Amino acid sequence: QKEVEQNSGPLSVPEGAIASLNCTYSDRGSQSFFWYRQYSGKSPELIMFIYSNGDKEDGRFTAQLNKASQYVSLLIRDSQPSDSATYLCASKAPNAGNMLTFGGGTRLMVKP
Amino acid sequence: DGGITQSPKYLFRKEGQNVTLSCEQNLNHDAMYWYRQDPGQGLRLIYYSQIVNDFQKGDIAEGYSVSREKKESFPLTVTSAQKNPTAFYLCASSSGQAYGYTFGSGTRLTVV
Repeated sequence: QKEVEQNSGPLSVPEGAIASLNCTYSDRGSQSFFWYRQYSGKSPELIMFIYSNGDKEDGRFTAQLNKASQYVSLLIRDSQPSDSATYLCASKAPNAGNMLTFGGGTRLMVKP
Repeated sequence: DGGITQSPKYLFRKEGQNVTLSCEQNLNHDAMYWYRQDPGQGLRLIYYSQIVNDFQKGDIAEGYSVSREKKESFPLTVTSAQKNPTAFYLCASSSGQAYGYTFGSGTRLTVV
């Protein structure tokens, strides 16, 4: 069973701090990775995707990928209370068509 | 604007009743998916379809049925065989491009 693992949290950070969300995956063949944000009672929305080893930055968000360690992370700089949500990590394997494998999500709480 | 539409937003089912959740997309995506999400839990795959007139069972297909007669539409029927259907149901679609899923806004189903 190919898996994506996330700590369920909650991860609590003060406003203005850096939130670090982590994800590990078991399928070494996975090639692309996605971070979704899901507010309570709402559907997930894509915030970042990454394919290459290293960092990818988009505004306050930075995705990091280390394929050797099978590890993906999402950093949120200058965290705001509006960032409080559940963050889902997902991977796509090359032999799975368009199918994504989702982790269970990490709940982030940003305290004012 | 292109998107994926789920209806209704809220649905109430009586014991022993079949209900159908609608999912329509105008993104020209080939693949469509149905997920179930219970409170505080991750996404569980019910059914998916990679192409019109073809679909496969996911991890929790028992008590559910689908059809894919048109590229744009992927309705999910929750049958009376599903004994615990109260949950948040999410429909998603994806293309051959490596951009992950687009999710609908979800249907919240409650047994009364």
